[in-house]
Amino acid sequence: SQTIHQWPATLVQPVGSPLSLECTVEGTSNPNLYWYRQAAGRGLQLLFYSVGIGQISSEVPQNLSASRPQDRQFILSSKKLLLSDSGFYLCAWERDRFYGYTFGSGTRLTVV
Amino acid sequence: QQQVKQSPQSLIVQKGGISIINCAYENTAFDYFPWYQQFPGKGPALLIAIRPDVSEKKEGRFTISFNKSAKQFSLHIMDSQPGDSATYFCAASLLSKIIFGSGTRLSIRP
Repeated sequence: SQTIHQWPATLVQPVGSPLSLECTVEGTSNPNLYWYRQAAGRGLQLLFYSVGIGQISSEVPQNLSASRPQDRQFILSSKKLLLSDSGFYLCAWERDRFYGYTFGSGTRLTVV
Repeated sequence: QQQVKQSPQSLIVQKGGISIINCAYENTAFDYFPWYQQFPGKGPALLIAIRPDVSEKKEGRFTISFNKSAKQFSLHIMDSQPGDSATYFCAASLLSKIIFGSGTRLSIRP
């Protein structure tokens, strides 16, 4: 069966520090991968998506970046965090065009 | 054009009642409409979904009603239970990209 792993679960980082969040999917190949951010009490904002290794599409211009170094690995990064980067970051993968997304358990990031 | 508008923002329903959440879209190219359920501190989970060639889909106590001409769709939760208390997101999909509504926080009073 397919599973998605996301870590860490919680993270507290100072302003100006770097960020690296990792997401991996098991049990499938060539999945579409997505990074979403959810601010407190708010909806889901699509940040990046990838349809293959090295292919990244950015939805929102900001100080975040994404990379897909391996087929089932998706990484969200920042060189210098801002207070506004705080939020709940969710990784998701798509098994099939009409099957919807499967989300990871999320990373709660607090920038202080 | 890419937005999905969801209402209400919050909803309180008595146990055993019917919960109704509404969504509207503009882009007629959307071809898949999923609903997600999210509990606090967890990632959203797919609840039920519909394609625009179907007017209604029912799974247990959950029903999606879809009105293609009005570009609206809604989620009905019958016999609402305290365990249904969560945030619900409607969504619309085009070319493997899913656009989410703003969410509805549902509380079921015992």
